[in-house]
Amino acid sequence: ELKVEQNPLFLSMQEGKNYTIYCNYSTTSDRLYWYRQDPGKSLESLFVLLSNGAVKQEGRLMASLDTKARLSTLHITAAVHDLSATYFCAVDHLAGANSKLTFGKGITLSVRP
Amino acid sequence: DAMVIQNPRYQVTQFGKPVTLSCSQTLNHNVMYWYQQKSSQAPKLLFHYYDKDFNNEADTPDNFQSRRPNTSFCFLDIRSPGLGDAAMYLCATRTWGLGKQFFGPGTRLTVL
Repeated sequence: ELKVEQNPLFLSMQEGKNYTIYCNYSTTSDRLYWYRQDPGKSLESLFVLLSNGAVKQEGRLMASLDTKARLSTLHITAAVHDLSATYFCAVDHLAGANSKLTFGKGITLSVRP
Repeated sequence: DAMVIQNPRYQVTQFGKPVTLSCSQTLNHNVMYWYQQKSSQAPKLLFHYYDKDFNNEADTPDNFQSRRPNTSFCFLDIRSPGLGDAAMYLCATRTWGLGKQFFGPGTRLTVL
């Protein structure tokens, strides 16, 4: 059974500082996704990582994937209040019609002045 | 814009009273998913359709049923809602060959 772990589960960040959060998983996969969720809202797709060594950047966020280590990192540069949300990683480990996502528990980020 | 639409956005029902949630998509994706998300938890997959082929997760209660009459629409039926079924229900779609799932805005279900 695929397990996806995220840590830490909650992170209080200071505005302007850099942080890294982690997602690791237990079964071979080369497809990993990061989603953002604001309170009471749905999931917003942030990054799609489809191969070993993939790196994607959008604004202050940069995500990377190491399939050999079964690890993805999400790096936050100069945190701002707008980044406060819950971030989920999800791994897609079956091919074809049975493809489905297994989510981590999510990391709640809170940016303080 | 192509999108995933869920109706209603908020649904209140009484304990034991059947309720139906709907999802429609203009993306023409062949895969549709239903997730349940409780407060402070990750989304939990209930079932998914690949075209008309229905795939039920092993731990999805029998109380939950689904219908997909055509490519664009998918329904979630909760036959006898219990207090534990109060949650956000998310619909998502995906096209063959593309892993990314597109999520609808969700329906918040309250059971009184």
